[in-house]
Amino acid sequence: NAGVMQNPRHLVRRRGQEARLRCSPMKGHSHVYWYRQLPEEGLKFMVYLQKENIIDESGMPKERFSAEFPKEGPSILRIQQVVRGDSAAYFCASSPGQVPMNTEAFFGQGTRLTVV
Amino acid sequence: TQLLEQSPQFLSIQEGENLTVYCNSSSVFSSLQWYRQEPGEGPVLLVTVVTGGEVKKLKRLTFQFGDARKDSSLHITAAQPGDTGLYLCAGLKAAGNKLTFGGGTRVLVKP
Repeated sequence: NAGVMQNPRHLVRRRGQEARLRCSPMKGHSHVYWYRQLPEEGLKFMVYLQKENIIDESGMPKERFSAEFPKEGPSILRIQQVVRGDSAAYFCASSPGQVPMNTEAFFGQGTRLTVV
Repeated sequence: TQLLEQSPQFLSIQEGENLTVYCNSSSVFSSLQWYRQEPGEGPVLLVTVVTGGEVKKLKRLTFQFGDARKDSSLHITAAQPGDTGLYLCAGLKAAGNKLTFGGGTRVLVKP
């Protein structure tokens, strides 16, 4: 039973390029959460998605960032025209139900984005 | 400013000593979770507390949820080098759908 799979583990992009981060939730999980972590800090919520729907994107920057969770395939976090400040670890978590139902959210190993 | 404040930010102790990490907020949470994160890895859930005043024990780890559900603590007895890591608290508000994380406490247990 594979856990939450994120790829790539490490991603280097030049300023102005696009970054695509993928997250395959655990089998049977239809809820996905994306978080960003800066060095030596906690995790900051970005977006919560269910299959084909964005439920809460209150933590997403208004520009350049977008997320999707299609009916088939992984969830994608897309960052257009990356800047140095986007360098961070991006974590995805999945759960079988909505977190308030006291179900555990399992985290992936993260994608470490470095913008040079 | 953080909605959840963790203290201390960094703690270095010798093997065998005890330690306590605090997680405080002015907001009420319906539940609170504690995670441990190791370098290069994602956070791993240790425990969830949901009832004010609740105390949960996990081997040498004791977790407490404040009566008013605004704060929590994690106490480790006789710490071991394997306890080294970043400890994160995360709160969930009633009717909310996302975890709000504290800034983390980095614990180093020296042999």
